[in-house]
Amino acid sequence: QSALTQPPSASGSPGQSVTISCTGTSSDIGGYNYVSWYQQHPGKVPKLIIYEVTKRPSGVPDRFSGSKSGNTASLTVSGLQAEDEADYYCSSYAGRSVVFGGGTKLAVL
Amino acid sequence: EVQLVESGGALVKPGTSLRLSCQASGFTFNEAWMTWVRQAPGKGPEWVARISLHRDGGATDYAAPVKGRFTISRDDSKSTLYLQMNSLQTEDTAVYYCTTYLRGYLESWGHGTLVTVSP
Repeated sequence: QSALTQPPSASGSPGQSVTISCTGTSSDIGGYNYVSWYQQHPGKVPKLIIYEVTKRPSGVPDRFSGSKSGNTASLTVSGLQAEDEADYYCSSYAGRSVVFGGGTKLAVL
Repeated sequence: EVQLVESGGALVKPGTSLRLSCQASGFTFNEAWMTWVRQAPGKGPEWVARISLHRDGGATDYAAPVKGRFTISRDDSKSTLYLQMNSLQTEDTAVYYCTTYLRGYLESWGHGTLVTVSP
């Protein structure tokens, strides 16, 4: 069982917006503004797309955005594109460790 | 360009040991906290271990499933990160990634090395 809880799947049509939630506790998500999100296509290495809750690394489209409220973080993908179909994992600093969610498979219908 | 190249993965039997290496280039290795993350087949990533800067004492932290069995270390003169894995168990089967670490996020990842533990 993963430390952070994500829905196993999400879906949307091209052009739509989808939000993926990630629920933790006050010891991880709720205690720090150090939530990150990773995108992983099949057979590929995870790629950082959001860090410190809302920041995007250089090169990541602004269609990807992050937020947090209490012990729950969210990733929103706006203007869905076919290439956004992938697995998405949330992660949080937890003091002397890092915890991950179980992942959400995003389907672009 | 940041490059992280892992090596040392193999097929081994339960109870044996293995040492993974990660050769880093393209950034100032001795100024980077580093981690090992693993991903079992069909599962999500799992954080394994973290090491701070040498000047900060090279402090280490471990995930509960590997604490006492795995040791993370670094050789800044060689820009190389290591993971010594002892008493390997079938549950340790995974692709092991070397990553940079900063404030909880893992910006750069290697391509991983596969460790298979099987009787």
